Amino acid sequence: GQQVMQIPQYQHVQEGEDFTTYCNSSTTLSNIQWYKQRPGGHPVFLIQLVKSGEVKKQKRLTFQFGEAKKNSSLHITATQTTDVGTYFCAHKNSGYALNFGKGTSLLVTP
Amino acid sequence: DTGVSQNPRHKITKRGQNVTFRCDPISEHNRLYWYRQTLGQGPEFLTYFQNEAQLEKSRLLSDRFSAERPKGSFSTLEIQRTEQGDSAMYLCASSLDGGRQYFGPGTRLTVT
Repeated sequence: GQQVMQIPQYQHVQEGEDFTTYCNSSTTLSNIQWYKQRPGGHPVFLIQLVKSGEVKKQKRLTFQFGEAKKNSSLHITATQTTDVGTYFCAHKNSGYALNFGKGTSLLVTP
Repeated sequence: DTGVSQNPRHKITKRGQNVTFRCDPISEHNRLYWYRQTLGQGPEFLTYFQNEAQLEKSRLLSDRFSAERPKGSFSTLEIQRTEQGDSAMYLCASSLDGGRQYFGPGTRLTVT
């Protein structure tokens, strides 16, 4: 399947700081999904992006899909301790299986 | 909350033993997926079913792995002759057609 690469691998922020994780592909993606996995938990779907240049917001979270549909980003404004976890991007292939990136682990200290 | 359930939640087994995991999807979901996740990695796709038909298998799914979904409801994943490299979290997910996938809590396998 199409590979997606995520950076950074880890991010440690103080509560209230912003956070951004990036997802990149060498090929054009038909879609990108974002998941959050809390420590000890399972992946939970956040959002799906399908259109070139698409931007979606969920409260403090902003998701973008690049114009060329080769990259995506997740930005969290004013992080809170509840944002701790690993954020994954994933591409759903034509057979509906998800190809996940390695994730960005976010640690937020109060 | 009738989400995806998986049993057992934890399994410790000795190398060479066979293990079987069960996944009960959300009741109206026709698609069921198995993934494997190791520490520090994203989930890796293993296989998926539409109803009772197994439609796609990853090359990660060696001959020692077999999955079934006999009546299009629950699914089982069996690993024969386990190896230490099989130690991982095995995640099940379900969806209605190609929609959002809902993940279960996973079965953590430790092979000693």
